[in-house]
Amino acid sequence: AQSVSQHNHHVILSEAASLELGCNYSYGGTVNLFWYVQYPGQHLQLLLKYFSGDPLVKGIKGFEAEFIKSKFSFNLRKPSVQWSDTAEYFCAVNAASGGYNKLIFGAGTRLAVHP
Amino acid sequence: GAVVSQHPSRVICKSGTSVKIECRSLDFQATTMFWYRQFPKQSLMLMATSNEGSKATYEQGVEKDKFLINHASLTLSTLTVTSAHPEDSSFYICSARIMGSVSYGYTFGSGTRLTVV
Repeated sequence: AQSVSQHNHHVILSEAASLELGCNYSYGGTVNLFWYVQYPGQHLQLLLKYFSGDPLVKGIKGFEAEFIKSKFSFNLRKPSVQWSDTAEYFCAVNAASGGYNKLIFGAGTRLAVHP
Repeated sequence: GAVVSQHPSRVICKSGTSVKIECRSLDFQATTMFWYRQFPKQSLMLMATSNEGSKATYEQGVEKDKFLINHASLTLSTLTVTSAHPEDSSFYICSARIMGSVSYGYTFGSGTRLTVV
C-alpha cells in the first residue's frame, strides 16, 4: 500500500527564513502529488500539485515544490516565510489502489513563524 | 471554484445515539466523495470512498456498520456515525474530486467536530 512520510513534525522559524519541508512517498507506479495547507480553524487549501512535466512546481503564496522521481520525494520550499504562513502543511499522494484512486496524506508538519 | 459544504460544523451527542454528517457539492456534481477522520495534531486518515449510486469502499479497519455512508445523489454524501461512543469523538472531513481537462484536484469541506459525551 502507498504511504506518505513527512520528516518534520514541528518547525519553528523566524520571519524571512527559508523553508523546506520534506515529503517522501512509497509507491511504485505513477503518482500525482499535492501539498495542502490548513490554517488554524480553516479547511484544507491546495498549495500546489504535480501531475507531469516540469518537476519544479510553483504554487500559491510563493511556495514551490520539486518532484524528484529517483528519490520518491516532493519537498516543499519557500525562500522567505512570513508570520502568516503559520499553519499545518500536508503532503498527499494520489495513486491507484485496488481499482480506486484515493488521496493519502502524510502526518503533517506544523509550522510556526515568529515575527 | 468548486465548493463542498459540510454540516454541521460541530455536534455534541450522547453516547449510544447516532449522528449524521452531510457533505454537499454546491456547484458541481461529485460522483466520488471521500470521508476522512482527523485526530488532534494528526493527519487525515481516509475512512471510505463514497460512490454515487453504489456501495462505499471502506479502508481497512473501518467498521462499515458503524460508519454508514450514503451517496444517493450526485451532490450529496452523508456519513452516519451509529451508536456513537466517546472514542468516536474526532474531526470528520469530506472531500470531492474535481475533474479537469488535463488534471484533477480535490476540494474539502470545512469539517465536523464530533464530541460524544
